[in-house]
Amino acid sequence: GAGVSQSPSNKVTEKGKDVELRCDPISGHTALYWYRQSLGQGLEFLIYFQGNSAPDKSGLPSDRFSAERTGGSVSTLTIQRTQQEDSAVYLCASSPTRINSPLHFGNGTRLTVT
Amino acid sequence: AQSVTQLGSHVSVSEGALVLLRCNYSSSVPPYLFWYVQYPNQGLQLLLKYTSAATLVKGINGFEAEFKKSETSFHLTKPSAHMSDAAEYFCAVSENSGNTPLVFGKGTRLSVIA
Repeated sequence: GAGVSQSPSNKVTEKGKDVELRCDPISGHTALYWYRQSLGQGLEFLIYFQGNSAPDKSGLPSDRFSAERTGGSVSTLTIQRTQQEDSAVYLCASSPTRINSPLHFGNGTRLTVT
Repeated sequence: AQSVTQLGSHVSVSEGALVLLRCNYSSSVPPYLFWYVQYPNQGLQLLLKYTSAATLVKGINGFEAEFKKSETSFHLTKPSAHMSDAAEYFCAVSENSGNTPLVFGKGTRLSVIA
């Protein structure tokens, strides 16, 4: 079946602009994560959705970052007033449940802020 | 909160030599532990996981890891490196309470020399 799909695969934007990154998880997966991958920084947790529970936003680096998940499926990560330090690969992952289920990762969106 | 430390951002081994990638974790409750691998220009995929069953866990491509509670470690090993093992490896931890997100280490890049 289809895996986790992220779009766009690449995004170049000017400093100060807003961007939206999209994630289509695997059908039926209730858990959805967003991570940020920067060179030398590994995977930085951003936000987590589990079913209808309130999302865990503890990893969002600033109030310029927000995410929503509509209908328990598609998720959108929004970065407002982008800064150069936001340049990174943004990864989305989903899993069937939360506890000990492996994550299925998308190929990511490479964001470049000029 | 749980955390992961991967010792060595870059490890280089000769083809046929032992691979040892180190991971130490911190968790206030019994952990679930994972190793993920990211091959060049590919997404992350699960290598193996520990979920409180056997302490020695076998994964794909001949890799294995041993959970040592006394040392809070979950080091990844492979007896004989292949050129195709060159990739970035990430250790990750979550708490089996199910109330915390999966947290990743900064990763270790493995190079295999012919």
